[in-house]
Amino acid sequence: GAVVSQHPSWVICKSGTSVKIECRSLDFQATTMFWYRQFPKQSLMLMATSNEGSKATYEQGVEKDKFLINHASLTLSTLTVTSAHPEDSSFYICSAGLPLSSYNEQFFGPGTRLTVL
Amino acid sequence: GQQLNQSPQSMFIQEGEDVSMNCTSSSIFNTWLWYKQDPGEGPVLLIALYKAGELTSNGRLTAQFGITRKDSFLNISASIPSDVGIYFCAGRDVDDKIIFGKGTRLHILP
Repeated sequence: GAVVSQHPSWVICKSGTSVKIECRSLDFQATTMFWYRQFPKQSLMLMATSNEGSKATYEQGVEKDKFLINHASLTLSTLTVTSAHPEDSSFYICSAGLPLSSYNEQFFGPGTRLTVL
Repeated sequence: GQQLNQSPQSMFIQEGEDVSMNCTSSSIFNTWLWYKQDPGEGPVLLIALYKAGELTSNGRLTAQFGITRKDSFLNISASIPSDVGIYFCAGRDVDDKIIFGKGTRLHILP
C-alpha cells in the first residue's frame, strides 16, 4: 500500500526557534501533498496544499510567512514553522495523493507532535 | 465554508454491540471518506465512497453514501476492543481538499 512518513515524529523547541517537518511518500510519487494541524481532541484542519514545483496554496487564516512549505520533489514536502511560539504547539499531519486513478486517494503520515516551550 | 456535522460526538458501548455514526453536510461532496485515528497517529482510511447511494463494506464495517450526496453513515458490527479510537468522516470537494468532521470517539466498556 501507499506509505507516507513524517520526520521527526515529535519535537520540542524553544520559543523563537524554527522547526522543519518533513513529509515523504515512500513508494509512490505525489504531485500534491496536504498539511493539516490538529489540536487536542479536535478535528484535522487543512493548512495548505503543497504542489510540486510551485507555490503552496494556503487556507484562509493560515500565515504563509509563518508556515513555510516547500515541495521540491515528487516524494518530499517540508513544513517549516518559523519563530515558533507556544500557541503553535500542535499535532501536524501531512497527506499525499495517490494519483493512480481518477479516485486520487490521500494517505496520511503518522503526524509530528510539536511542543514549543 | 463547507461544514460537516458528525454525530454522535462520543459513544460508550459494550464489546459485541453494533455501532452507528453519521455525517451530514451543508453542501454536496463527490466523495465521502471514513477514517480511524488512534492516539498520536495519523488517520487511516477505512472506507471510501464515490457514488451516491453506494453501500460498501470492509470486514465488519459498512458505510453508505447518501442519495442526496450530503450525508453518509458508518456502521461497525460486533465491536471488539481494537475498535476503540476516533472515527472521522470526511468529504472531498471539487478542489480535492478533504474536509473533516469533528470525529466520534468510540469507547468500549469492559
